[in-house]
Amino acid sequence: EVQLVQSGTEVKKSGDSLRISCRASGYSFSLYWIAWVRQLPGKVPEWMGVIYPGDSDTKYSPSFQGQVTMSVDKSINTAYLQWSSLKASDSGMYFCARPNYCTRDSCSAPEYWGQGSLVTVSS
Amino acid sequence: ETVLTQSPATLALSPGESATLSCRANFSISKYLAWYHLKPGQPPRLLIHDASSRATGVSDRFSGSGSGTDFTLTISSLEPEDFGLYYCQQRAIWPSFGGGTKVEIK
Repeated sequence: EVQLVQSGTEVKKSGDSLRISCRASGYSFSLYWIAWVRQLPGKVPEWMGVIYPGDSDTKYSPSFQGQVTMSVDKSINTAYLQWSSLKASDSGMYFCARPNYCTRDSCSAPEYWGQGSLVTVSS
Repeated sequence: ETVLTQSPATLALSPGESATLSCRANFSISKYLAWYHLKPGQPPRLLIHDASSRATGVSDRFSGSGSGTDFTLTISSLEPEDFGLYYCQQRAIWPSFGGGTKVEIK
């Protein structure tokens, strides 16, 4: 069974750094892209970008390029989303998800999702 | 930029009734549209991909149609667990989501 298990709730202050995680199981981690999706309170979900664990190839949405860093640790089947300096506007729910495939321009609709990591940043 | 407009914003229906949700793209996205159901505190659940293909384990009460710029999600005979937010998402050019339709109990 494919499972994506995310790290828990984080409460931080503006300027803090943060790394949240997404641990995959039930499939070959290296062979499938991992996507990160943000949902701010009361807002539409936003596709942040994807990373391919096999070679760490990353594709960031233009809105998130330079704002976050995606990485993986293949040895423990885990993907990460990292901020070097959080802002209050980063407060929201962050989901990892697994598309079946990605092309140069897009990805298939993910069927498998993590449970979400809630990030709260106070100013 | 691909913009998806969902309508109506809110749909108030009773259990057993059918729901028809619309998603319109500002230019053709072929068949590259998915539908998700969101409930508070839960991850999105993929219902339909590529406009009309049901995801694994999804009830046949959910059906999707359309291509190009106009798409529809139909939910027949609403059950209590069907209420919540529904989003469409395109994948023609870098994934993006529509504004959502809230299906609430009348």
